[in-house]
Amino acid sequence: GQNIDQPTEMTATEGAIVQINCTYQTSGFNGLFWYQQHAGEAPTFLSYNVLDGLEEKGRFSSFLSRSKGYSYLLLKELQMKDSASYLCAVRLKAAGNKLTFGGGTRVLVKP
Amino acid sequence: GAVVSQHPSWVICKSGTSVKIECRSLDFQATTMFWYRQFPKQSLMLMATSNEGSKATYEQGVEKDKFLINHASLTLSTLTVTSAHPEDSSFYICSAPRLERVGELFFGEGSRLTVL
Repeated sequence: GQNIDQPTEMTATEGAIVQINCTYQTSGFNGLFWYQQHAGEAPTFLSYNVLDGLEEKGRFSSFLSRSKGYSYLLLKELQMKDSASYLCAVRLKAAGNKLTFGGGTRVLVKP
Repeated sequence: GAVVSQHPSWVICKSGTSVKIECRSLDFQATTMFWYRQFPKQSLMLMATSNEGSKATYEQGVEKDKFLINHASLTLSTLTVTSAHPEDSSFYICSAPRLERVGELFFGEGSRLTVL
């Protein structure tokens, strides 16, 4: 089976930086995704990593190390609207476009 | 704008009744759609993969006779919760991949089901 772990909750201050880690144990890895989900809403796509390294998109960056089964999502210059759950999801080669999600990390941004 | 539309957003029903949720891809064809369920403060759990023109593939532990999935066209998949019970109350979300956006899933707005 697959195992995807991420912290349950994190709290940070507006303007700060927060790093959300995700570790996974899978066979046939074929990409890692980060989604943002506000309470009561559907997830929205943030980033996709399939090769090792850092992908930067504005205030959000995502890093992947396949050998370590590790990824992180970095949120810079935190804003109040960044308070949400952040979901790490893994795609497997044998599963087509099916994604398996981690438990999600609830980030609370305080003034 | 939205590329996957889900309807209804909210539904309240009595125990024992059936509820149908629709998921439409708006400007692309989706031969595959995924149905997820999410309980409060939990992550998304994949229920089944909807395949256009053929039977859905259900995840382990999901009752196929209770959660009926129909994917009759390239833009529409439906999930019917049959004989709903209070424990079926949840947030149901559909998603579909677009071929030109490799691997990225587009999610519908979600449907919150409350069974009384």
